[in-house]
Amino acid sequence: KQEVTQIPAALSVPEGENLVLNCSFTDSAIYNLQWFRQDPGKGLTSLLLIQSSQREQTSGRLNASLDKSSGRSTLYIAASQPGDSATYLCAVHPSGSARQLTFGSGTQLTVLP
Amino acid sequence: DGGITQSPKYLFRKEGQNVTLSCEQNLNHDAMYWYRQDPGQGLRLIYYSQIVNDFQKGDIAEGYSVSREKKESFPLTVTSAQKNPTAFYLCASRTKAGTRHNEQFFGPGTRLTVL
Repeated sequence: KQEVTQIPAALSVPEGENLVLNCSFTDSAIYNLQWFRQDPGKGLTSLLLIQSSQREQTSGRLNASLDKSSGRSTLYIAASQPGDSATYLCAVHPSGSARQLTFGSGTQLTVLP
Repeated sequence: DGGITQSPKYLFRKEGQNVTLSCEQNLNHDAMYWYRQDPGQGLRLIYYSQIVNDFQKGDIAEGYSVSREKKESFPLTVTSAQKNPTAFYLCASRTKAGTRHNEQFFGPGTRLTVL
């Protein structure tokens, strides 16, 4: 059964720092991996989606990488801002299934002004 | 604007009551999902539907029921059989299976509290 782990569970950084959030998964047979942002009491906003054949995706100050063989993905946030404060969730979509995403429990990021 | 709407935003239930959470999408997506989120945890799948008039149980379907009579709508009923229903409920839909992206999009959520 696929398991997704995100470390650390919480992270505080000063404004302007570059930071990396980590996501690991146990089964490398994935179709894609998605990174989401969740603000308190809100739904999930999709940030980046990486197909299994891709190594990375970029959107603005965000860069997500995928190493399927080692079961790891990272989300890099450049020049962090207080508005980046949120919980970041990664989720994997298994191969051969139209079913569900398996989610990690998230990293709660606080960017201090 | 295309998107997913959920209503109500907050819902209170007395013990022994059934309640229904609404989810509507105008993205023309075939697949729809219901997830439950508890504090400090990831999302867990309750039910999903890939086409109209068809749905499948997820990992934690006990005490829940769904219907999919229209492509745009996927309501979730939390029955009295669900022993611990207080949680944040999220509905999602997905771009067509087999397309390049196969990406899930989420609604704003409904917070259910049992009194």
